[in-house]
Amino acid sequence: EMQLVESGGGLVQPGGSLTLSCAASALTFSSNSMTWVRQAPGKGLEWVSSISRSGDNTFYADSVKGRFTISRDNPKSTVYLQMNSLRAEDTAIYYCASGPTGAMALDHWGQGTLVTVSS
Amino acid sequence: DIQMTQSPSSLSASVGDRVTITCRASQGINNFLAWFQQKPGKAPKSLIYAASSLQSGVPSKFSGSGSGTDFTLTISSLQPEDFATYYCQQYDSYPLTFGQGTRLEIK
Repeated sequence: EMQLVESGGGLVQPGGSLTLSCAASALTFSSNSMTWVRQAPGKGLEWVSSISRSGDNTFYADSVKGRFTISRDNPKSTVYLQMNSLRAEDTAIYYCASGPTGAMALDHWGQGTLVTVSS
Repeated sequence: DIQMTQSPSSLSASVGDRVTITCRASQGINNFLAWFQQKPGKAPKSLIYAASSLQSGVPSKFSGSGSGTDFTLTISSLQPEDFATYYCQQYDSYPLTFGQGTRLEIK
Protein backbone atom coordinates (compact mmCIF):
# COMPACT_ATOMS: atom_id res chain seq x y z
CA GLU A 1 0.00 0.00 0.00
CA MET A 2 1.25 3.45 -0.87
CA GLN A 3 2.18 5.64 2.10
CA LEU A 4 2.06 9.40 1.53
CA VAL A 5 3.66 12.03 3.77
CA GLU A 6 3.08 15.74 3.19
CA SER A 7 5.32 18.52 4.46
CA GLY A 8 5.96 22.22 3.95
CA GLY A 9 2.86 23.76 5.47
CA GLY A 10 2.97 26.76 7.76
CA LEU A 11 1.96 30.37 8.32
CA VAL A 12 2.43 32.75 5.41
CA GLN A 13 1.33 36.32 4.79
CA PRO A 14 -1.18 37.19 2.06
CA GLY A 15 0.61 37.48 -1.26
CA GLY A 16 3.34 35.14 -0.10
CA SER A 17 4.54 31.79 -1.42
CA LEU A 18 4.90 28.28 -0.09
CA THR A 19 5.89 24.92 -1.55
CA LEU A 20 4.32 21.70 -0.33
CA SER A 21 5.92 18.29 -0.78
CA CYS A 22 4.40 14.82 -0.71
CA ALA A 23 6.76 11.86 -0.44
CA ALA A 24 5.49 8.44 -1.43
CA SER A 25 6.78 5.11 -0.21
CA ALA A 26 5.56 2.86 -2.97
CA LEU A 27 7.79 1.63 -5.75
CA THR A 28 4.77 2.14 -8.01
CA PHE A 29 4.84 5.95 -7.60
CA SER A 30 5.53 6.57 -11.27
CA SER A 31 2.55 4.38 -12.23
CA ASN A 32 -0.01 6.67 -10.60
CA SER A 33 -1.30 10.14 -11.17
CA MET A 34 -1.01 12.34 -8.09
CA THR A 35 -3.55 14.79 -6.70
CA TRP A 36 -3.75 17.58 -4.12
CA VAL A 37 -7.04 18.07 -2.25
CA ARG A 38 -7.66 20.74 0.39
CA GLN A 39 -10.10 21.25 3.21
CA ALA A 40 -10.74 24.68 4.70
CA PRO A 41 -11.54 24.76 8.43
CA GLY A 42 -14.97 23.25 9.04
CA LYS A 43 -15.62 22.80 5.32
CA GLY A 44 -15.78 19.97 2.79
CA LEU A 45 -13.19 18.54 0.44
CA GLU A 46 -12.02 20.57 -2.58
CA TRP A 47 -9.90 19.24 -5.43
CA VAL A 48 -6.93 21.51 -6.13
CA SER A 49 -4.66 19.97 -8.75
CA SER A 50 -3.56 16.71 -10.37
CA ILE A 51 -0.57 15.57 -12.42
CA SER A 52 -0.27 12.62 -14.77
CA ARG A 53 2.11 9.70 -14.24
CA SER A 54 4.79 11.16 -16.49
CA GLY A 55 4.20 14.75 -15.41
CA ASP A 56 3.35 15.81 -18.94
CA ASN A 57 -0.24 16.72 -18.08
CA THR A 58 -1.37 18.95 -15.24
CA PHE A 59 -4.83 20.04 -14.14
CA TYR A 60 -5.96 22.85 -11.83
CA ALA A 61 -9.10 24.07 -10.12
CA ASP A 62 -10.19 27.49 -11.39
CA SER A 63 -9.65 28.88 -7.88
CA VAL A 64 -5.88 28.24 -8.07
CA LYS A 65 -5.13 28.36 -11.80
CA GLY A 66 -2.30 30.75 -12.56
CA ARG A 67 -1.16 30.83 -8.91
CA PHE A 68 -0.35 27.19 -8.09
CA THR A 69 1.98 24.82 -9.94
CA ILE A 70 2.06 21.04 -9.49
CA SER A 71 5.14 19.02 -10.41
CA ARG A 72 6.66 15.64 -9.66
CA ASP A 73 10.05 13.97 -9.41
CA ASN A 74 9.56 10.28 -10.13
CA PRO A 75 13.09 9.13 -9.12
CA LYS A 76 12.48 10.81 -5.74
CA SER A 77 8.85 9.57 -5.52
CA THR A 78 7.76 13.08 -4.61
CA VAL A 79 5.08 15.46 -5.83
CA TYR A 80 5.15 19.20 -5.17
CA LEU A 81 2.67 22.05 -5.03
CA GLN A 82 4.19 25.49 -5.52
CA MET A 83 1.73 28.07 -4.21
CA ASN A 84 2.15 31.75 -5.10
CA SER A 85 0.06 34.87 -4.46
CA LEU A 86 -1.58 33.19 -1.49
CA ARG A 87 -4.90 34.48 -0.22
CA ALA A 88 -6.75 34.08 3.05
CA GLU A 89 -9.17 31.71 1.32
CA ASP A 90 -6.29 29.32 0.58
CA THR A 91 -6.10 28.55 4.31
CA ALA A 92 -6.74 24.82 4.58
CA ILE A 93 -5.31 21.41 5.28
CA TYR A 94 -3.70 20.18 2.07
CA TYR A 95 -3.75 16.45 1.37
CA CYS A 96 -1.99 14.54 -1.36
CA ALA A 97 -3.73 11.46 -2.68
CA SER A 98 -3.31 8.80 -5.30
CA GLY A 99 -4.26 5.24 -6.10
CA PRO A 100 -4.04 2.30 -8.44
CA THR A 101 -7.73 1.60 -8.98
CA GLY A 102 -8.18 4.19 -11.72
CA ALA A 103 -6.41 6.92 -13.64
CA MET A 104 -7.73 9.59 -11.30
CA ALA A 105 -8.47 7.45 -8.24
CA LEU A 106 -7.80 8.68 -4.70
CA ASP A 107 -7.35 5.38 -2.88
CA HIS A 108 -4.56 6.50 -0.55
CA TRP A 109 -4.21 9.79 1.32
CA GLY A 110 -1.51 11.44 3.35
CA GLN A 111 -2.10 12.88 6.80
CA GLY A 112 -2.26 16.44 5.47
CA THR A 113 -0.31 19.64 6.08
CA LEU A 114 -1.87 22.87 7.33
CA VAL A 115 -1.42 26.09 5.39
CA THR A 116 -2.50 29.29 7.13
CA VAL A 117 -2.55 32.55 5.18
CA SER A 118 -2.78 35.47 7.56
CA SER A 119 -1.06 38.73 8.39
CA ASP B 1 -18.10 20.76 -14.34
CA ILE B 2 -19.90 17.74 -12.89
CA GLN B 3 -21.88 18.63 -9.76
CA MET B 4 -22.23 16.01 -7.02
CA THR B 5 -25.26 16.34 -4.76
CA GLN B 6 -25.37 14.29 -1.57
CA SER B 7 -28.38 13.71 0.65
CA PRO B 8 -29.05 14.01 3.44
CA SER B 9 -26.51 16.57 4.66
CA SER B 10 -26.86 15.14 8.16
CA LEU B 11 -28.29 11.96 9.55
CA SER B 12 -29.01 10.80 13.09
CA ALA B 13 -29.05 7.06 13.75
CA SER B 14 -28.63 4.53 16.54
CA VAL B 15 -26.08 1.79 17.06
CA GLY B 16 -27.25 -1.26 15.13
CA ASP B 17 -29.19 0.72 12.52
CA ARG B 18 -28.78 0.47 8.77
CA VAL B 19 -28.42 3.76 6.90
CA THR B 20 -28.28 4.85 3.28
CA ILE B 21 -26.65 7.96 1.82
CA THR B 22 -27.46 9.10 -1.70
CA CYS B 23 -25.25 10.86 -4.24
CA ARG B 24 -26.43 12.24 -7.57
CA ALA B 25 -24.16 13.40 -10.39
CA SER B 26 -25.25 16.16 -12.76
CA GLN B 27 -24.30 13.92 -15.71
CA GLY B 28 -23.21 10.35 -16.30
CA ILE B 29 -19.83 9.43 -14.74
CA ASN B 30 -19.28 5.88 -16.06
CA ASN B 31 -19.43 4.55 -12.50
CA PHE B 32 -16.22 6.40 -11.57
CA LEU B 33 -17.67 7.09 -8.14
CA ALA B 34 -15.88 6.80 -4.81
CA TRP B 35 -17.04 7.04 -1.21
CA PHE B 36 -14.87 8.32 1.65
CA GLN B 37 -15.19 8.32 5.42
CA GLN B 38 -13.64 11.15 7.42
CA LYS B 39 -13.35 11.35 11.20
CA PRO B 40 -12.54 14.61 13.02
CA GLY B 41 -8.89 15.56 12.69
CA LYS B 42 -8.14 12.70 10.31
CA ALA B 43 -7.56 12.36 6.59
CA PRO B 44 -10.34 10.92 4.45
CA LYS B 45 -10.32 7.15 4.05
CA SER B 46 -11.44 5.47 0.84
CA LEU B 47 -14.24 2.94 1.35
CA ILE B 48 -15.64 2.26 -2.10
CA TYR B 49 -14.33 2.76 -5.63
CA ALA B 50 -15.94 2.22 -9.03
CA ALA B 51 -19.34 2.72 -7.38
CA SER B 52 -19.51 -0.73 -5.77
CA SER B 53 -16.02 -2.16 -5.22
CA LEU B 54 -14.88 -2.41 -1.62
CA GLN B 55 -11.39 -1.18 -0.81
CA SER B 56 -9.04 -3.74 0.69
CA GLY B 57 -9.47 -3.98 4.45
CA VAL B 58 -12.83 -2.19 4.55
CA PRO B 59 -15.54 -4.19 6.37
CA SER B 60 -18.31 -5.69 4.25
CA LYS B 61 -20.87 -3.72 6.28
CA PHE B 62 -20.12 -0.93 3.81
CA SER B 63 -21.61 -1.34 0.35
CA GLY B 64 -22.03 0.85 -2.68
CA SER B 65 -24.49 0.62 -5.52
CA GLY B 66 -25.89 2.58 -8.41
CA SER B 67 -25.07 3.52 -11.97
CA GLY B 68 -25.44 6.36 -14.40
CA THR B 69 -26.05 9.39 -12.22
CA ASP B 70 -27.53 7.94 -9.01
CA PHE B 71 -25.47 6.16 -6.37
CA THR B 72 -25.89 5.02 -2.78
CA LEU B 73 -23.70 4.09 0.15
CA THR B 74 -25.26 1.72 2.66
CA ILE B 75 -23.83 1.02 6.10
CA SER B 76 -25.33 -1.88 8.00
CA SER B 77 -25.27 -2.57 11.73
CA LEU B 78 -23.87 0.81 12.76
CA GLN B 79 -21.15 0.76 15.40
CA PRO B 80 -19.79 3.74 17.38
CA GLU B 81 -16.72 3.93 15.11
CA ASP B 82 -18.92 4.44 12.04
CA PHE B 83 -20.17 7.85 13.16
CA ALA B 84 -18.27 10.22 10.90
CA THR B 85 -18.69 12.37 7.79
CA TYR B 86 -19.06 10.64 4.43
CA TYR B 87 -18.27 12.10 1.00
CA CYS B 88 -18.94 10.92 -2.51
CA GLN B 89 -16.61 11.92 -5.35
CA GLN B 90 -16.56 11.54 -9.11
CA TYR B 91 -13.32 10.76 -10.89
CA ASP B 92 -14.62 10.47 -14.42
CA SER B 93 -13.28 13.84 -15.54
CA TYR B 94 -11.48 16.94 -14.34
CA PRO B 95 -12.23 18.92 -12.31
CA LEU B 96 -12.66 16.14 -9.77
CA THR B 97 -15.65 17.01 -7.62
CA PHE B 98 -16.96 15.96 -4.21
CA GLY B 99 -20.37 15.93 -2.66
CA GLN B 100 -20.89 18.36 0.20
CA GLY B 101 -20.71 15.57 2.78
CA THR B 102 -23.13 13.73 5.05
CA ARG B 103 -22.55 13.97 8.78
CA LEU B 104 -23.66 10.76 10.49
CA GLU B 105 -24.39 11.34 14.16
CA ILE B 106 -25.41 9.12 17.05
CA LYS B 107 -29.07 9.45 18.03
